[in-house]
Amino acid sequence: AQSVTQLGSHVSVSEGALVLLRCNYSSSVPPYLFWYVQYPNQGLQLLLKYTSAATLVKGINGFEAEFKKSETSFHLTKPSAHMSDAAEYFCAVSPNSGGSNYKLTFGKGTLLTVNP
Amino acid sequence: ETGVTQSPTHLIKTRGQQVTLRCSSQSGHNTVSWYQQALGQGPQFIFQYYREEENGRGNFPPRFSGLQFPNYSSELNVNALELDDSALYLCASSPKPGGNYEQYFGPGTRLTVT
Repeated sequence: AQSVTQLGSHVSVSEGALVLLRCNYSSSVPPYLFWYVQYPNQGLQLLLKYTSAATLVKGINGFEAEFKKSETSFHLTKPSAHMSDAAEYFCAVSPNSGGSNYKLTFGKGTLLTVNP
Repeated sequence: ETGVTQSPTHLIKTRGQQVTLRCSSQSGHNTVSWYQQALGQGPQFIFQYYREEENGRGNFPPRFSGLQFPNYSSELNVNALELDDSALYLCASSPKPGGNYEQYFGPGTRLTVT
């Protein structure tokens, strides 16, 4: 069974500082990986996804993530935080082989706060 | 292009009652997935529908059931509501059921069971 671990349920950064949100996955084969953002009282919006192409993936709003197979990681970064980045971020995994290639398995989320 | 919509936005039910939640998928999408998001948790997969058939199911009891209609909209039905069913229920649509296809999420229905 696949699983996702997000290290740090709450990350706080200053405006303009680097954002680093950590995600590690457990899977027998490299899966598809996703980062979603959820603003208060809203659904989830896809930031970026890894589907076996380039290991460095660029997404919306200046975010990017690097797939590292040796570390089973898919950490999300942004060079300079904006106040508007404050939200909950979820890492998710979906298998890329086998019959169960339909569901997303989410981590527990990381709440990002940005201080002025 | 209209995104994924869900109704109602909020709902309050009593333990033991039944509830139906509705979802309209994005235009051109034939696959709908439902997720339950408890407070402070990540979404948990309930089931997926593809072309009106259940295409997979998570670890939820049979009192959670669903339907998909010819226009690819969907319903989630929950019978015999329990207090632990209180959560945000998210619907997501995608062009196809494969894991590499992006799932587009609706705003959710907040269900409170008292």
